Amino acid sequence: EPEVTQTPSHQVTQMGQEVILRCVPISNHLYFYWYRQILGQKVEFLVSFYNNEISEKSEIFDDQFSVERPDGSNFTLKIRSTKLEDSAMYFCASSERPGWETDTQYFGPGTRLTVL
Amino acid sequence: EDQVTQSPEALRLQEGESSSLNCSYTVSGLRGLFWYRQDPGKGPEFLFTLYSAGEEKEKERLKATLTKKESFLHITAPKPEDSATYLCARGIREKLTFGTGTRLTIIP
Repeated sequence: EPEVTQTPSHQVTQMGQEVILRCVPISNHLYFYWYRQILGQKVEFLVSFYNNEISEKSEIFDDQFSVERPDGSNFTLKIRSTKLEDSAMYFCASSERPGWETDTQYFGPGTRLTVL
Repeated sequence: EDQVTQSPEALRLQEGESSSLNCSYTVSGLRGLFWYRQDPGKGPEFLFTLYSAGEEKEKERLKATLTKKESFLHITAPKPEDSATYLCARGIREKLTFGTGTRLTIIP
């Protein structure tokens, strides 16, 4: 069964450093998303991406964050200068049709980001 | 403001003891109500999508139902492997808005 994959599973970084989290969405999906979950809190939407453009973003997704689809299979989330409060699980998701059609979003296993 | 509220926060059941989890949501603009299962340290695993009041979906020991303001996840004769956090989310525009989840523990 097709699944979303994410690398690395755990990333430890120093405050102020740049990190790139990688995702490989399900192959026939065209809509991509990033969510995060701070320990013990709810899953929060960060950004949605389609046709090489951001289609929606949350207030959390400020200028420190960026997303990119560098090739036909990968989807990345970059945090330019990490802060302690960026420590969280980051989940990538993908869907075949757009979110506004309420198509199911399938989630990856997550990357645990620890900022020291 | 989008609101999804789940109750109870935690639920402990004996194996075989049936129960229901609740999800209530703000109504405006609802385009779908989703249930996911999340195991510790893992990503949400899709269970069900419900689109309109009165709709029901089933999968093994789980059944999800939807009314105009609430959704219920009924679990019948649960087994220890059903222990997980169950997340409810509403779809609006591009995003899913999640509740805080119900942590379900099934005791053998």
